[in-house]
Amino acid sequence: EAQVTQNPRYLITVTGKKLTVTCSQNMNHEYMSWYRQDPGLGLRQIYYSMNVEVTDKGDVPEGYKVSRKEKRNFPLILESPSPNQTSLYFCASSGPDTQYFGPGTRLTVL
Amino acid sequence: GNSVTQMEGPVTLSEEAFLTINCTYTATGYPSLFWYVQYPGEGLQLLLKATKADDKGSNKGFEATYRKETTSFHLEKGSVQVSDSAVYFCALSAYSGGGADGLTFGKGTHLIIQP
Repeated sequence: EAQVTQNPRYLITVTGKKLTVTCSQNMNHEYMSWYRQDPGLGLRQIYYSMNVEVTDKGDVPEGYKVSRKEKRNFPLILESPSPNQTSLYFCASSGPDTQYFGPGTRLTVL
Repeated sequence: GNSVTQMEGPVTLSEEAFLTINCTYTATGYPSLFWYVQYPGEGLQLLLKATKADDKGSNKGFEATYRKETTSFHLEKGSVQVSDSAVYFCALSAYSGGGADGLTFGKGTHLIIQP
């Protein structure tokens, strides 16, 4: 079954404490991306990756890092989280016809 | 740059009513157009898509037609059900081949269907 998994699904943390949200896909897709979803703003792309070791900024990259060491994994790293990064995060993996989304990670930064 | 504008919600309808959710876009070239649906507590799922002008995408009773002359991709359904309650996102991809690499999303429309 085609699948994008994210962990954790829910996370409450404090300002400045580094965290990583993992993302993995089982479809051998080259293109992966991260979005954040905020009320009234829809989904905005944070970072994307065209392939292993190839990443680039999306529309709202400030405060985030990513890495793509393997094709299946695309973790999102918040080195020093701040309250304005409280949001719902989605990882996505693109095939030739559509984009598959993970179930989301709800992050709260206190 | 590319942008998508969709009607503000929430949209509240009675069961079996006719649904239209408006979506217009701004893009250069020949984008592909998508509707995604997000059920409560879940990620986004592709509902339908169209890759060129005058194409009609359809799925689960929903339809949308790619209108290049009006730069629109309105979502319609003839008779909605309570189970259609969700948030609907219109999106475009600059890649006309139909791939969904980099999507630009609208802000989403929350649809509420009452029994």
